[in-house]
Formats: sequence, structure tokens, C-alpha cells
Amino acid sequence: GESVGLHLPTLSVQEGDNSIINCAYSNSASDYFIWYKQESGKGPQFIIDIRSNMDKRQGQRVTVLLNKTVKHLSLQIAATQPGDSAVYFCAETPYGGATNKLIFGTGTLLAVQP
Amino acid sequence: NAGVTQTPKFQVLKTGQSMTLQCAQDMNHEYMSWYRQDPGMGLRLIHYSVGAGITDQGEVPNGYNVSRSTTEDFPLRLLSAAPSQTSVYFCASSSYLGEQYFGPGTRLTVT
Repeated sequence: GESVGLHLPTLSVQEGDNSIINCAYSNSASDYFIWYKQESGKGPQFIIDIRSNMDKRQGQRVTVLLNKTVKHLSLQIAATQPGDSAVYFCAETPYGGATNKLIFGTGTLLAVQP
Repeated sequence: NAGVTQTPKFQVLKTGQSMTLQCAQDMNHEYMSWYRQDPGMGLRLIHYSVGAGITDQGEVPNGYNVSRSTTEDFPLRLLSAAPSQTSVYFCASSSYLGEQYFGPGTRLTVT
């Protein structure tokens, strides 16, 4: 969903369910994408990345899907746990993977219900 | 290996005051960046550096200065603080094409 003012879009899931967090990116020239997790009071933490020559990449319990046709990125978390509760940001860069020039999305709050 | 460290954790300034936010990394990373994060929003790039002696502007550079005299340190200076600069500031470092590591942040309030 769209971010409105100070209110982050929120995804509420039951513990053990799968979560899907979506992101629409802005620049068709972007060729490198990253998902970050940010817990309250902490800096963002790298989860998984994907380059534009791929459409899917898997990590441990996480999968990122990239659809360049509609400029859409998604993060799938399998068997969501309470420790997954955080704000998730997608980030993009058109600078060939130079991660010091990232453009961040507004974030999605994932709330895991026990 | 401490990673990326930032000081102070919290700061309150009056309008017009100046201060420097410190950032240091011990991973020998060439690239360092400063971001600000406003409530309910993503991070926006203020300034970045690709190596000692080299800095450049990001998306929101106005009101901030940086310098990079060593590989390890990348301080951010607020010359004359304004309420619009109330935010959480994050420093990050990375190697070329490597994962970007973020510091714990500095929460700044300007009254």
C-alpha cells in the first residue's frame, strides 16, 4: 500500500504464517535492490539483495522477487516469527550496485501476532 | 571489530547552534554515507564519500557539511541548526559492491 504521512503501511500476520511485503520502486534505470530490516531504535540491517539480471533470489527463510516490467519488488518471509517484527525497507540504486547511493522506500511495518 | 559507531546517541540543540555528529568504522571500508530518517519515512541520503578526501552531495545536503580526512572517520557538521533538521541520523559504510553496514543512529532534536 501507499504510505500516508506518518502512518506506515502495516502487515499483520500470525506466527508461523508466510509474509509478503511489497515495494514499488521508482527508477527504471535501477539495477540493484536491497531489502533492509529495521528494529525499533536501531539502524537498518541487510536482509537480502538482488541484481536486475535476476528475477528471484533465495536466502534463509527469505525470498526476494523482482518484476522489472512493473517495477515491483517483494520480500517473502517463510514461517514468520515474533523476532521478524520490524519495519522493512526496500532500497534501489541505478549506480551499478554502489551501495553508498541508495534510494529508500518508505517502509512497511510487519507485526507478528503470537 | 566494532563496525560502525556513532556519537552522540541523543542530542538537543537550540536553533542556530552548530554541532558535529561523529561516525567511525573499523572495517577499512572505502565508502561512507550519512542519511537522515524522519518519522514514518525511509532514509534520505545527505552526503557520501568514496574515499579519504572525496565527498559528494546526496539528495538532501543543504545545511550540512562533511569531510573525510581519514578512511575511518566521516563527521557530519550542522552549521546552524534549524527545527527542520530534527531527525534520526544514520551513518553507513561499505566496500565497493559490498553490503552497507549502518550505525545505531543519533537522535537529534532542534528546538
